[in-house]
Amino acid sequence: QKEVEQNSGPLSVPEGAIASLNCTYSDRGSQSFFWYRQYSGKSPELIMFIYSNGDKEDGRFTAQLNKASQYVSLLIRDSQPSDSATYLCAVTHNNQAGTALIFGKGTTLSVSS
Amino acid sequence: TGVTQSPTHLIKTRGQQVTLSCSPISGHRSVSWYQQTPGQGLQFLFEYFSETQRNKGNFPGRFSGRQFSNSRSEMNVSTLELGDSALYLCASTTRVASFTDTQYFGPGTRLTVL
Repeated sequence: QKEVEQNSGPLSVPEGAIASLNCTYSDRGSQSFFWYRQYSGKSPELIMFIYSNGDKEDGRFTAQLNKASQYVSLLIRDSQPSDSATYLCAVTHNNQAGTALIFGKGTTLSVSS
Repeated sequence: TGVTQSPTHLIKTRGQQVTLSCSPISGHRSVSWYQQTPGQGLQFLFEYFSETQRNKGNFPGRFSGRQFSNSRSEMNVSTLELGDSALYLCASTTRVASFTDTQYFGPGTRLTVL
């Protein structure tokens, strides 16, 4: 059973702080890793993807991947109240039959002003 | 334009069937469907590529889908159960690296079964 685990939170940080969101996965064959943001009542929105070990930065967001530890994280620098949402980690195990995203249940982030 | 889904909301009663529609981003040939509930989170239903189902999740046969030549997709749920109440999301897929596809979600269809 392929699983993706996230702390449900809520994770509360003050405005301007760094928010750190973590995710572990069970399938060592996983190849691509994604972070989605979902506001209440809305659909998931892709923030970043990463497939190589190390860090990948995009604006205030940094994704970190450690395949040996089966661990993915998302850092949000200078957190803003508008970052308050549920963050979903997803992984894929690409195969010739196509791809399916396996999601964690999400971490709720609350940024206070 | 992004992924579009219709209808936005739907109310059905147990035993009925329902058909949901999805149009992917122009040029995207793969469409995936997901079910989102508070208890189970986001779960993969199936994926269609070039009118063929190429991947399927662990859902009963009451859940089915198809894709048309213009890449538009429909999913059908027959003999609805109360537990089918959920947000149904369609995702449009594009390849961004040699082995990495990214999926972009539509706004979803909120299904309520009474």
